[in-house]
Amino acid sequence: EIVLTQSPATLSLSPGERATLSCRASQSVSSYLAWYQQKPGQAPRLLIYDASNRATGIPARFSGSGSGTDFTLTISSLEPEDFAVYYCQQRSNWSFGQGTRLEIK
Amino acid sequence: QITLKESGPTLVKPTQTLTLTCTFSGFSLSTSGVGVGWIRQPPGKALEWLALIYWDDDKRYSPSLKSRLTITKDTSKNQVVLTMTNMDPVDTATYYCAHRPLGYYDSSGYYYPSYYFDYWGQGTLVTVSS
Repeated sequence: EIVLTQSPATLSLSPGERATLSCRASQSVSSYLAWYQQKPGQAPRLLIYDASNRATGIPARFSGSGSGTDFTLTISSLEPEDFAVYYCQQRSNWSFGQGTRLEIK
Repeated sequence: QITLKESGPTLVKPTQTLTLTCTFSGFSLSTSGVGVGWIRQPPGKALEWLALIYWDDDKRYSPSLKSRLTITKDTSKNQVVLTMTNMDPVDTATYYCAHRPLGYYDSSGYYYPSYYFDYWGQGTLVTVSS
């Protein structure tokens, strides 16, 4: 069973700063990795699929990279609405990582 | 426009069976490549994938919950039903259904399946308590 580990658990940054979130798989998932954003009381929202493809309507400040076991979600310049919890998901058993909370510093 | 909505009981007793219905619009579950999945989230915790049903009635289950889960579809009603037996207080969570899109063909004709959910329902909170 493939396990996804996200780091850090919490990331404290200010608006305008660059955010880098990591997701590591215990075995290769090729490029089949997705990223989601979830705000309190809301359903998750797809940001990135197949490691680097932005979903429809997602701003260009969000980008994904990586393949195999190491993946990164980058937010180039944080907007106030970007502070949320972020999850990665892989294909093998459709499982999710434990999440990274992005909070305002 | 794709929409999904979960429905079912908000409160179940321990040992009872939970039945949740996902009613969707904007796509057909008879379209090749399409699927509908269930995901849950205990209060304050991470997302957990539960089950997925494909257009061809192929089914996938979380290994840790497989013995308790059944997923079915009614294409004519645009519904997917998830049942979970022997409910326990630790199963208290918000349950989501979500759309798995069809994949795509590249210029060489190679097909890439999709392994993500692009549309989600609003979720329904299920509490397990006596």
